[in-house]
Amino acid sequence: DVKVTQSSRYLVKRTGEKVFLECVQDMDHENMFWYRQDPGLGLRLIYFSYDVKMKEKGDIPEGYSVSREKKERFSLILESASTNQTSMYLCASSLRLVAGQPQHFGDGTRLSIL
Amino acid sequence: GQQLNQSPQSMFIQEGEDVSMNCTSSSIFNTWLWYKQEPGEGPVLLIALYKAGELTSNGRLTAQFGITRKDSFLNISASIPSDVGIYFCAGQLGNTDKLIFGTGTRLQVFP
Repeated sequence: DVKVTQSSRYLVKRTGEKVFLECVQDMDHENMFWYRQDPGLGLRLIYFSYDVKMKEKGDIPEGYSVSREKKERFSLILESASTNQTSMYLCASSLRLVAGQPQHFGDGTRLSIL
Repeated sequence: GQQLNQSPQSMFIQEGEDVSMNCTSSSIFNTWLWYKQEPGEGPVLLIALYKAGELTSNGRLTAQFGITRKDSFLNISASIPSDVGIYFCAGQLGNTDKLIFGTGTRLQVFP
């Protein structure tokens, strides 16, 4: 079974702090994704990466950056946290360009910015 | 960003009833996926559909890939309390690894 592990289930930070969310997958997947989930808005893609050191912007990259130094690890960085970044953050991984390969998700990090 | 139209937004049903939800899009998809998310958890894949017209079952769940490739539905038969959660559809466009998600259907089952 694919295992996607997010480092924290719950996180509380203050406005202006730099926040790191970590994600690790154990299935040697090339692709990794970061989403945020808000009520009524579904899952919105922030960034994704299809290889080490490669990244592409998703639909809502503003205020975020990412890092992929190793294949199994994909980090989401909030450069200067703001209250509108309070949300559930979900990491996912999948095989690259294998037709129809589904994404597998971690359990999420519920982030509160005070 | 693009999103899929998923309906209904929420359902409140009695145990034993059948459930039906669907997703539609203006775009043609190569793959349709259905996920379930329980409270405090990440989405878990239920069914994957790869061909237009395909009908696939997973226990009490049945999903179909629409003939036009622009829609999909998910049926749950004889619902039980553990079916509670949010169900998401997701579609894959063309030769891309990105998914586009529906806004979810929240299902509540009362005993």
